[in-house]
Amino acid sequence: DVKVTQSSRYLVKRTGEKVFLECVQDMDHENMFWYRQDPGLGLRLIYFSYDVKMKEKGDIPEGYSVSREKKERFSLILESASTNQTSMYLCASSPDSLNGYTFGSGTRLTVV
Amino acid sequence: DQQVKQNSPSLSVQEGRISILNCDYTNSMFDYFLWYKKYPAEGPTFLISISSIKDKNEDGRFTVFLNKSAKHLSLHIVPSQPGDSAVYFCAAYKASGTYKYIFGTGTRLKVLA
Repeated sequence: DVKVTQSSRYLVKRTGEKVFLECVQDMDHENMFWYRQDPGLGLRLIYFSYDVKMKEKGDIPEGYSVSREKKERFSLILESASTNQTSMYLCASSPDSLNGYTFGSGTRLTVV
Repeated sequence: DQQVKQNSPSLSVQEGRISILNCDYTNSMFDYFLWYKKYPAEGPTFLISISSIKDKNEDGRFTVFLNKSAKHLSLHIVPSQPGDSAVYFCAAYKASGTYKYIFGTGTRLKVLA
């Protein structure tokens, strides 16, 4: 089974801090994604990557950046955390578009 | 601009009955649709998909119907079981585009024992 591992289940950070959310997949997938889930808004795409060092903005990239130095790892960076970035963050990977995503368990981030 | 919409935020159904979850989309260029199920504190898991060249796809208790002219898809669960209680997301994708799926807002299904 494909495994997508997010390093933290729960995080509490202060406003203004730089925050790193890490995601690792173990099945050599080309594509990796970061979404956030908020009540009433569903899953919204922040950034995605289809290859090492390649990244593309999703629908809500403001306030975020990403890093993909190795194929298996895709990091989401909150440059200066704000309270409106309190959310559930979900990482996913996929070998191609037709096989669906495999999601990690999520990181619930609270910014105070 | 919500391209994929799930207008019912929640749904309650008796165990053994049919659950019908609905999803509407606005972009006629979407040609592949998926349903995901999410339990609390877990990531979404893939449930079933359908290509736009089909109007129905079945997998056990789960059937997805696609009505392209109405830009509408639905997920039927028969019979519903308490373990089906979860949030269900529909998602859509353009095969000619990049690999990103557009997700709906989700419907929370509660199956009552």
